[in-house]
Amino acid sequence: KAGVTQTPRYLIKTRGQQVTLSCSPISGHRSVSWYQQTPGQGLQFLFEYFSETQRNKGNFPGRFSGRQFSNSRSEMNVSTLELGDSALYLCASSLPELAGANVLTFGAGSRLTVL
Amino acid sequence: GESVGLHLPTLSVQEGDNSIINCAYSNSASDYFIWYKQESGKGPQFIIDIRSNMDKRQGQRVTVLLNKTVKHLSLQIAATQPGDSAVYFCAEILTGNQFYFGTGTSLTVIP
Repeated sequence: KAGVTQTPRYLIKTRGQQVTLSCSPISGHRSVSWYQQTPGQGLQFLFEYFSETQRNKGNFPGRFSGRQFSNSRSEMNVSTLELGDSALYLCASSLPELAGANVLTFGAGSRLTVL
Repeated sequence: GESVGLHLPTLSVQEGDNSIINCAYSNSASDYFIWYKQESGKGPQFIIDIRSNMDKRQGQRVTVLLNKTVKHLSLQIAATQPGDSAVYFCAEILTGNQFYFGTGTSLTVIP
């Protein structure tokens, strides 16, 4: 079955712009989580969505937002981009709250460069 | 081994040798742990997991050891191969599906 698909894979933006990243989870997975990965900070949790509702949120400013659609696909948006937002943004899906099944399956990520 | 910080720990091993990657976790309430492997240009991939009621679990060429007393996790890779070169992350999972990742260890296998 298809894995987690993220688009676009690479993008370059300038400071002040906004960006929208898309994630299609594994079929049947209803939980989608987003992470920011940078060399210095590792994987930082952004938010998790389940059944179109944000269930958990990390410590990121309000410029970072997301949503989930009825088909479990998710988008995240970053507004007013800053240089420090340059990172690999990873989406992961899972079957939550099933014993032994709460393994995150990651997509390949969207590499954002802010100039 | 892994630690939260600015520098990515590195480990170099000869092909065929065994590798041991360490991870210190912080929350004694964590009840589930996963090791992930991330190759260049890819997202992290699941390797092996272990629940807090176990102290050892074996997979194909990999073994995870859990020491809850000192909150330490290790990943052992037997007969390391060039394809094992990657960054390895441990993740501790709290109830409510909350994942916390270490910064990773970069493993380089020398042919």
